[in-house]
Formats: sequence, C-alpha cells, structure tokens
Amino acid sequence: EDKVVQSPLSLVVHEGDTVTLNCSYEVTNFRSLLWYKQEKKAPTFLFMLTSSGIEKKSGRLSSILDKKELFSILNITATQTGDSAVYLCARPGGGADGLTFGKGTHLIIQP
Amino acid sequence: NAGVMQNPRHLVRRRGQEARLRCSPMKGHSHVYWYRQLPEEGLKFMVYLQKENIIDESGMPKERFSAEFPKEGPSILRIQQVVRGDSAAYFCASSLDRAEFGHSGNTIYFGEGSWLTVV
Repeated sequence: EDKVVQSPLSLVVHEGDTVTLNCSYEVTNFRSLLWYKQEKKAPTFLFMLTSSGIEKKSGRLSSILDKKELFSILNITATQTGDSAVYLCARPGGGADGLTFGKGTHLIIQP
Repeated sequence: NAGVMQNPRHLVRRRGQEARLRCSPMKGHSHVYWYRQLPEEGLKFMVYLQKENIIDESGMPKERFSAEFPKEGPSILRIQQVVRGDSAAYFCASSLDRAEFGHSGNTIYFGEGSWLTVV
C-alpha cells in the first residue's frame, strides 16, 4: 500500500509563531495531494495540490508540492489558538476511489 | 445549507451486538464514502457507494461489515457482532460527482463522524 508519512506527529508552539508541517508520500500514478484540518469532528478541506512548485494560499495558510522529492509542506503563519487541530495529508489510493491518509500532525497553539 | 449528517454521533455497544451508522449526504450528492479512524491512526477508506450500488468496497473488512445506500433514505454502515477492535470513529463523506481527486474543486465533504465504543 502506498504510504503517506507526516511529521512531526505533534507540535506545540506559541501564538504568533510560524509552523511548517511535512508530508512525504510514496506513490505511483500521482494525481494529487490533499490537506485537511480536523478539529475533533469533520475533516475540512484545505488544499488540493496537483502541480509541483506552485504555492496555494488561503489567508495565513499556504502549501506547496515537490513532486520530484515526493513531499509537501503546509505553512501556517502568525498562528492563533483557533489553528489548534490535527492536520491531515492524503493522496488518492487505498481503493480506487478512496483517499489514503497520513496519521496527522496534532498542532497545539498556546496563548 | 445542511452538510453531511451522521447519526448517531456516539454509540455504545456490547460485544456481539450490532451497530448501525447512518449517513445522509449533502443535498444533491449521490456519491457516499465511508472511512474509519482508529485511535492514533489516520482515516482509512472503507467503501464507496452510489445510489443502490456498491462501487468500491476494497477497504471493507471481509466479515461482519456491510454498507448500503438505498434509493430512498440514508446510507447505512452495518457492523454485526461487534468486537472491541471495532471501536473507532466512522466518518461518512459525500460528493457531487465521483471524486477523482485530480481536478481542482472536485473534492469530498465529511460528516462529523459517529464514535462507536464497544464494551
């Protein structure tokens, strides 16, 4: 089974800090890489990355994909306590119609 | 503007009982996916259904688990003779079209999950 490996598994920072979350993957027939935010309930979609080197941004969050080195990063600048969540990385696979998820990075933002 | 609705949110079952988890997709969505999240693990794909059809059940355990999505009503994930290892969060997701995950904007929307505890 193709793997998705996230690091770190957990991270505690102070409000205002910038964090970088990592996702590496093994894959054949690459289609895309996705990021989700999960706050003890429904995972909510953040980004879908299909092209290498093109940054996607949404407010203080941004993400980029490196298809050559098979990894993606998710950056969060000027973190706020509301950013505390588990951030999930996923790629298509594990079933033709399913997503294979990493274990997630548990991010805690302290006031 | 209801999202994906799952119920019950929490369910406690004794070993050997049956668990039924229901999922109503977003309005207009006819594609449903079930995922399981074990403690300290990532989400794992179980099954993909369209109305009245199981399209991909490659992630479903071979025994005790079944899923359906009838013409009328919610999708149901059924677990017979539950064991402690079935304790997990079960998430349903839906999409408007088949989620190919290769096109911008074509994604799936998750419900808030059903937490099953087997005692």
